[in-house]
Amino acid sequence: DAGITQSPRHKVTETGTPVTLRCHQTENHRYMYWYRQDPGHGLRLIHYSYGVKDTDKGEVSDGYSVSRSKTEDFLLTLESATSSQTSVYFCAISEYTYEQYFGPGTRLTVT
Amino acid sequence: AQTVTQSQPEMSVQEAETVTLSCTYDTSESDYYLFWYKQPPSRQMILVIRQEAYKQQNATENRFSVNFQKAAKSFSLKISDSQLGDAAMYFCAYRRDNFGNEKLTFGTGTRLTIIP
Repeated sequence: DAGITQSPRHKVTETGTPVTLRCHQTENHRYMYWYRQDPGHGLRLIHYSYGVKDTDKGEVSDGYSVSRSKTEDFLLTLESATSSQTSVYFCAISEYTYEQYFGPGTRLTVT
Repeated sequence: AQTVTQSQPEMSVQEAETVTLSCTYDTSESDYYLFWYKQPPSRQMILVIRQEAYKQQNATENRFSVNFQKAAKSFSLKISDSQLGDAAMYFCAYRRDNFGNEKLTFGTGTRLTIIP
């Protein structure tokens, strides 16, 4: 299994509060991704990174920001959480083999 | 934009039987990759099988095989000798063949139930 961890695994927060999710990898892969999973939508890309300090937006990036200061860490921040951001968040990594390997997911509930 | 469609929200199969999950996709690209991912109740996304569009031969991984029909843009997953551990959500995914940096586009998933 690819060495990918996500923290926290579960979080409940209130509307309007900032939230940061962390993805950590031990594989030294160049590419990292954040997806969200919602019923009826499959997984949708939020942001991705193609190197340290190199990031770009995905299809559902509004309300989210990311940072990558080290190869192994990719942070997803909700500046002011809303109920529509209640979801399961997955981090994924890939190198040049084209498969993406996923972390265990974080369940976020915004009340 | 690429889209992936899984038209079967739920499927069920008797243990030891064979089941086929359907996936169609829409793309104007000629080079791409297709994947099937399994998501058991643990929520972990597990890669099951991958198919390169330039390969005519269908991919196989033990009990899992695909029927890739490029002209029809169809990519079905066949599970033979179904086991209780195969019960999961199955997602079909597409990515363009762009070196390294390309997102996956997922279908909405098929929930597979195994009947003992």
